Amino acid sequence: EAQVTQNPRYLITVTGKKLTVTCSQNMNHEYMSWYRQDPGLGLRQIYYSMNVEVTDKGDVPEGYKVSRKEKRNFPLILESPSPNQTSLYFCASSRSGGGFYNSPLHFGNGTRLTVT
Amino acid sequence: GQQLNQSPQSMFIQEGEDVSMNCTSSSIFNTWLWYKQDPGEGPVLLIALYKAGELTSNGRLTAQFGITRKDSFLNISASIPSDVGIYFCAGQNYGGSQGNLIFGKGTKLSVKP
Repeated sequence: EAQVTQNPRYLITVTGKKLTVTCSQNMNHEYMSWYRQDPGLGLRQIYYSMNVEVTDKGDVPEGYKVSRKEKRNFPLILESPSPNQTSLYFCASSRSGGGFYNSPLHFGNGTRLTVT
Repeated sequence: GQQLNQSPQSMFIQEGEDVSMNCTSSSIFNTWLWYKQDPGEGPVLLIALYKAGELTSNGRLTAQFGITRKDSFLNISASIPSDVGIYFCAGQNYGGSQGNLIFGKGTKLSVKP
């Protein structure tokens, strides 16, 4: 089954403790992206990757890192999490860019992160 | 940066009623997409629009890409309880950052049986 898999689904951590949220897709998609969803703010893009070893900042990249060493994986790294990074995070992938013709974004089921 | 204004923020309707929501932007977009998010899940694509003026249906859903390329609307006819969720519009301008799909803030739909 074609899917985007995020882990973990839920994570509670403390300020400053490094964490990684994994994202994997099995559709051989070139494009992958991370979003955070906050009440009243909708979906905001953190980082995206157009292909292996190609990453770029989205709208809210501060406090986050990503890497794209392989096509299928796009982990999100929080080196020193802070409470304002408490949010619902979504990974997404598409064949080539999120809006290009016949290349819609497929989302994972989300990771709810709480930083205390 | 580019922003999308999605309205209304929330809607409370009776089962069987029709629903209309829209997105506007001060910038031109080449693509408009509509997603639905069920509680506890990621957004799922409902309709994709790639051409100004395009009107596309998906079952009870109809969406249009505005002629000015700065707006789009989504209509749901004869709503049912499973229509409950958050609906997001999204737009992309090929001329801008290729990877940046801009999302609206969502319309939360509640349907009373």
